[in-house]
Formats: sequence, structure tokens, C-alpha cells
Amino acid sequence: QSALTQPASVSGSPGQSITISCTGISSDVGSYNLVSWYQQHPGKAPKLIIYEVTKRPSGVSSRFSGSKSDNTASLTISGLQAEDEADYYCCSYTGTYSWVFGGGTKLTVL
Amino acid sequence: EVRLVEAGGGLVQPGGSLKLSCGASGFTFSNYWMSWVRQTPGKGLEWVANIKKDGSEKYYVDSVMGRFTISRDNAKNSLYLQMDRLRAEDTAMYYCATMTAQFDYWGQGTPVTVSS
Repeated sequence: QSALTQPASVSGSPGQSITISCTGISSDVGSYNLVSWYQQHPGKAPKLIIYEVTKRPSGVSSRFSGSKSDNTASLTISGLQAEDEADYYCCSYTGTYSWVFGGGTKLTVL
Repeated sequence: EVRLVEAGGGLVQPGGSLKLSCGASGFTFSNYWMSWVRQTPGKGLEWVANIKKDGSEKYYVDSVMGRFTISRDNAKNSLYLQMDRLRAEDTAMYYCATMTAQFDYWGQGTPVTVSS
């Protein structure tokens, strides 16, 4: 199972919006609405920020939103803040109780 | 508050074995599937294994099939990962996580280094 494809890095200025893409294939992202996103700050564990493509866990800012079209999922962060600077990973169910992650995207807030 | 605490990582020679543990608190452990996820500096996150609530079903990524064994003890609120025939490419930070249709809560991880 190959990793999902994410851009290595994205950047934006405070207050702007950015979007991180996550491209899979028809048998993972394209087949299931079970895409999740994780935020990871340096030296910390990943934290779930989006699940089932568009849902936010309790306590996660509404500035984070998710979407999906065909084999590509996207994470949008609006109103960028300094504390959003982190690594972001997407993840998709691939069937038979298996999951695959993306390679990760480093977000820099300029 | 959900808390997951991993332990058991360390330095091991290629071909060696190591057993990781994960202690859970703050939720009803026996009601959740559990997972191990690892992270290498160069390759990001990788799902390793899942185990059903009662331990009756287990699933593994192909690269560890036949070498790693996931298990749990619901009476002790604990998850385990027995790692045998370790390879250099198994070097990573290993996280345990609760699992529904996604990895909801994560521990802080325990590092494993496979090197001679």
C-alpha cells in the first residue's frame, strides 16, 4: 500500500487561508469517506483535527475544515495563526481494517 | 481525560526482539479497538497494527506481518506489541492510539532503535 501524496511544504501569512491536498487512489480515498487529518507540533504526538472527511472533534477550531473530491482530500485552514505552524498528515481507510497515511506537509506561517 | 502511556522502547540489535506496552486510563479500554502507529524521521507516519475490542481480530501492515504481534489485556487496561526479528527499517517512534474509524487519541510514543 503506497502512502498518500501530500505536498512537502506549504506556507501562508497570518490571517490568510491555505489548503493542503492529499491524493490517493480509487481503492482508498476514492472509495471511503474515512479520511482523517492530524496536526503534529515538534516533539509532540499527532492530534486528530478532522475525521470522516469533514467532521471536527470537540475542541478543534472551526478554522479547520476538510473536503474530498474523487481521489483527493483537502484540509483548509482559514485565518492562519502562528500556532498553526506544524506538520499535517492525512490518513485514509483502505479496506480490511487497514489504514494508510500521507507523507506529511510542513506548514510555515510567515 | 484519556491517557495513553507507552513504554518498552530502546536499542536492540538487528534480529532481536522487543515488547512495547501501552497503559490506558480515562476511558473504558475494553470498548475500543486499539492501534500501533509508528513514525520514522524520513517516512512520516505508518499504521502498524490494530486489535479488536476483545482481542479476537488483529490486522497488520504487510511489512511487519509474521514478525510483530499485537495483543491486549483488558483487565489491565493494557495494549502490547511484541516485535521479533527486528530490522533497521523498524527504527521509529511507536505510538499507541485509540481507534474508531480514525486514530482518536494518541500516547506520547516510545522510541525504538534497531542497530548493531
